Amino acid sequence: EAGVAQSPRYKIIEKRQSVAFWCNPISGHATLYWYQQILGQGPKLLIQFQNNGVVDDSQLPKDRFSAERLKGVDSTLKIQPAKLEDSAVYLCASSSLRAYEQYFGPGTRLTVT
Amino acid sequence: QQQVKQSPQSLIVQKGGISIINCAYENTAFDYFPWYQQFPGKGPALLIAIRPDVSEKKEGRFTISFNKSAKQFSLHIMDSQPGDSATYFCAASMDVNRDDKIIFGKGTRLHILP
Repeated sequence: EAGVAQSPRYKIIEKRQSVAFWCNPISGHATLYWYQQILGQGPKLLIQFQNNGVVDDSQLPKDRFSAERLKGVDSTLKIQPAKLEDSAVYLCASSSLRAYEQYFGPGTRLTVT
Repeated sequence: QQQVKQSPQSLIVQKGGISIINCAYENTAFDYFPWYQQFPGKGPALLIAIRPDVSEKKEGRFTISFNKSAKQFSLHIMDSQPGDSATYFCAASMDVNRDDKIIFGKGTRLHILP
């Protein structure tokens, strides 16, 4: 089966610009996660979708971050405006059953200058 | 109480040796304890997972040891190989009121010397 797809793989933007990331989960996986991984740290959950509904967005900086999962399949994560501290790898993952068994995409490395 | 504490931050092991990474948790509501392996430029991948009612689980050269009373679990990599060089994350998962969560540790960067 195809894995979790993410694009772009790399993005460099200036602070205060906007950026969007795209994720296509494994077919049939109802749950989709977006994580932020800062260098040297573990993934930090930003938002969790169950089908097209939000389950948890408690750690999403809602003043600048937004995410949607239309039709319960692929998803986009947007940052507007970006800050220097947003430089990180943004990982998308999906699961079909329990959260402990997630399948991750390759991530998007964002550099904000 | 939601944290998973992982140690060491980094580990260097000779080829053929045993690599040991330790994790501790506080919340007894966690009901699955997975380990993820991440290579540079890749997303994490599930390596092995254990339930708290099992004291040990082995898959090939990878073994999870679980101590429920101490709220600790560890990953042992036997006969460590250079290809095992990666970052390893322990995690804990709970399913409460249909809100299924996973909490990751901060990771251990493992380097196996050839």
